[in-house]
Amino acid sequence: GDSVTQMEGPVTLSEEAFLTINCTYTATGYPSLFWYVQYPGEGLQLLLKATKADDKGSNKGFEATYRKETTSFHLEKGSVQVSDSAVYFCALSVFYNQGGKLIFGQGTELSVKP
Amino acid sequence: GAVVSQHPSWVICKSGTSVKIECRSLDFQATTMFWYRQFPKQSLMLMATSNEGSKATYEQGVEKDKFLINHASLTLSTLTVTSAHPEDSSFYICSARDGRLGSNQPQHFGDGTRLSIL
Repeated sequence: GDSVTQMEGPVTLSEEAFLTINCTYTATGYPSLFWYVQYPGEGLQLLLKATKADDKGSNKGFEATYRKETTSFHLEKGSVQVSDSAVYFCALSVFYNQGGKLIFGQGTELSVKP
Repeated sequence: GAVVSQHPSWVICKSGTSVKIECRSLDFQATTMFWYRQFPKQSLMLMATSNEGSKATYEQGVEKDKFLINHASLTLSTLTVTSAHPEDSSFYICSARDGRLGSNQPQHFGDGTRLSIL
């Protein structure tokens, strides 16, 4: 079945460091890919998305490129801030098979130290 | 941007009580709403999918009679945890999307409800 695998956390970085959170997927259809962010005690916020191969999603300095050949959607940011500390979820959605249902990775906790 | 309001944000109640959680889309029409459960430091587990005016589709292992879902309008869905027990304590999150805008519309999430059953 369809699935998403993320790198395990927690990831601890110093402020202004480069961030990569790996995400790979398996899907039988043509998925859309998403990154969501969850701050403590809150719901999820959409960070960015990509709907087809080679699309690059970007927002707030974060970016991720939909790589069909490697079935990956790695999240990157050039210079993280303390305020980026949160849990990041990679997800896919295969609309035609599953009605837009999201399948989440396990989440990666990011902690940025000043 | 799209806003989803979830209420209450936090509820504590006694065992045996039924608890209703509301999920509203404030600036769009939600043809589909989803209900998730999240355990501490874990990912979201989809409980059920509801389409406006239809019965909810529950994921395997989720008790339909325990978790009642109603999606009577394009802006409101409710989850009722019936006869709640301590093991039902969790963080419940709803999301909504307008499927009429295309198949790639993302889900927009509420801020979640922390349910604690004593």
